[in-house]
Amino acid sequence: ELKVEQNPLFLSMQEGKNYTIYCNYSTTSDRLYWYRQDPGKSLESLFVLLSNGAVKQEGRLMASLDTKARLSTLHITAAVHDLPATYFCAVDKTSGSRLTFGEGTQLTVNP
Amino acid sequence: EPEVTQTPSHQVTQMGQEVILRCVPISNHLYFYWYRQILGQKVEFLVSFYNNEISEKSEIFDDQFSVERPDGSNFTLKIRSTKLEDSAMYFCASSRPSGGTDTQYFGPGTRLTVL
Repeated sequence: ELKVEQNPLFLSMQEGKNYTIYCNYSTTSDRLYWYRQDPGKSLESLFVLLSNGAVKQEGRLMASLDTKARLSTLHITAAVHDLPATYFCAVDKTSGSRLTFGEGTQLTVNP
Repeated sequence: EPEVTQTPSHQVTQMGQEVILRCVPISNHLYFYWYRQILGQKVEFLVSFYNNEISEKSEIFDDQFSVERPDGSNFTLKIRSTKLEDSAMYFCASSRPSGGTDTQYFGPGTRLTVL
């Protein structure tokens, strides 16, 4: 059974500082996704990582994938007020197959 | 930009009643999914649908659940006899796997409350 674990589960950030969210998964896969969810809202796709060594960047967020370590990281540069949300990583095995989600990391920002 | 839509946004029902949740996937997508999220918890897969049949289902998707694509646009999830523990947000998603991206796009969700 594929398991996906994120840490930390809660992250209280200070404005302007850098942070990293880690996503580990239990079985071989080279397909990993990051989603953002605002409270009471749906899931918004942030990044799709489909190969070992893949790196994607959008604004203050950068995601990378190491399939040998079964690890993805979401790096946040200089946290700001528009980042608070819950961030989920998810893994699937093949095209069209189910996504298995991590528990989510809830971000808040302190001024 | 095309979006997945879902109706209703909120459904309240009595335990034991049947509910039908409706979704309109993105029009040129081929795979359709239902997920649920109990309040404060992670997102859980229920079922996927491809080529007019179920392609994969989880252990949550028991005989009380069914899915249907009654026409070329709608995709429905039916719960025959709702239980208190079915209360959750239900998300529909769709995808069109291709060489460049396999993103599943999620709808806004239906919040189901079972009393």
